[in-house]
Amino acid sequence: QTVVTQEPSFSVSPGGTVTLTCGLSSGSVSTSYYPSWYQQTPGQAPRTLIYSTDTRSSGVPDRFSGSLLGNKAALTITGAQADDESDYYCLLYMGSGISVFGGGTKLTVL
Amino acid sequence: QVQLQESGPGLVKPSETLSLTCTVSGGSISGYYWSWIRQPPGKGLEWIGYIYSSGSTNYNPSLKSRVTISLDTSKNQFSLKLSSVTAADTAVYYCARQYIRKTNWFDPWGQGTLVTVSS
Repeated sequence: QTVVTQEPSFSVSPGGTVTLTCGLSSGSVSTSYYPSWYQQTPGQAPRTLIYSTDTRSSGVPDRFSGSLLGNKAALTITGAQADDESDYYCLLYMGSGISVFGGGTKLTVL
Repeated sequence: QVQLQESGPGLVKPSETLSLTCTVSGGSISGYYWSWIRQPPGKGLEWIGYIYSSGSTNYNPSLKSRVTISLDTSKNQFSLKLSSVTAADTAVYYCARQYIRKTNWFDPWGQGTLVTVSS
């Protein structure tokens, strides 16, 4: 069974740039996996940031961007702000209608 | 805009069936895919399954034997049933609209409802 991998934790300084990644335990992520990204703060429902690799969801500021980086999907936050401190989850489409989330990355802004 | 709201018992006994309903407001349930996702306390998200407005379904293989998702288009609602629950099924359960043709993402999400499995 293929596992979707994310960094467990990451830290960034205010105003800095950070790139979170989403990979596979076996193989490479491509656009055919339709990677999407979600932001979640404690006690809240996830918020959709990016879908189909690099399309920002409505209302998401352009300092959030999605891409493919090497064999992984990537979420880049430029000009990090204090309220970007959240958990970030990626989602990959595995085919046959099956979706799998990564384990999530806890981002600290300090 | 479309909003989703989960409802159902917050406490279920072990071995019984968990039942939740998601009410869709501000738009029609027709023509879309509707999903359930859960998150155990302190852990990550897990996709449970989806139903299309035609009634076709698809489930997470790890839960498939215990899950049933159905819908009631007259009430603009869809529902989740998870049988033979254990403490491992304790989680916040979210409903969401899923886009799945030539793409795959969830939006919007309901606020979530905590279901605890305990005697």
